[in-house]
Amino acid sequence: SQTIHQWPATLVQPVGSPLSLECTVEGTSNPNLYWYRQAAGRGLQLLFYSVGIGQISSEVPQNLSASRPQDRQFILSSKKLLLSDSGFYLCAWSGGKVPGSGANVLTFGAGSRLTVL
Amino acid sequence: GESVGLHLPTLSVQEGDNSIINCAYSNSASDYFIWYKQESGKGPQFIIDIRSNMDKRQGQRVTVLLNKTVKHLSLQIAATQPGDSAVYFCAETPLGNTGKLIFGQGTTLQVKP
Repeated sequence: SQTIHQWPATLVQPVGSPLSLECTVEGTSNPNLYWYRQAAGRGLQLLFYSVGIGQISSEVPQNLSASRPQDRQFILSSKKLLLSDSGFYLCAWSGGKVPGSGANVLTFGAGSRLTVL
Repeated sequence: GESVGLHLPTLSVQEGDNSIINCAYSNSASDYFIWYKQESGKGPQFIIDIRSNMDKRQGQRVTVLLNKTVKHLSLQIAATQPGDSAVYFCAETPLGNTGKLIFGQGTTLQVKP
């Protein structure tokens, strides 16, 4: 079965410090991968998605970047964090079949909570 | 532009009652509409979806209704249980059924014992 791992689960970083959040997927090949951000009390905003190694599409201009060095690895980075980067970051993948669904359903990781002070 | 929104930020129901969570959308050209459940501190989990050419779909204790005339989507939970307490998001898939979902803001469901 497919699983998605995301780490670290919690992170407290000072303004101006770098960031690296990692996500890996197991049990599938060539998945589409996504990074979403969820601000407190808000919905999910798509930041990046990737359809293959080295292929990254950015959905919104921001202080963050993403990379996909391997088929099942997706990394979210920043060189210098801003206060506004605080939030709950969710990695997700699609491409598998969810029983009972015809949609291209996203399966999410457990999330990484980032607090920038 | 595209947007998906929810009518109420918080819904409080008594255990055993039925819950109805509503969602409005603006993009008529979506393939699927999906409901997710997010428990505190966790990632969203898929509940049920409905294709745009349907108006009703039932799952286990849940029913999703789609009214394309007024661009309205609802999730009905029968016999609500404490474990149903969570934030519920509606989402839509753009034409082409890609994974680039557009999410609403979320409704918090509180179940009172």
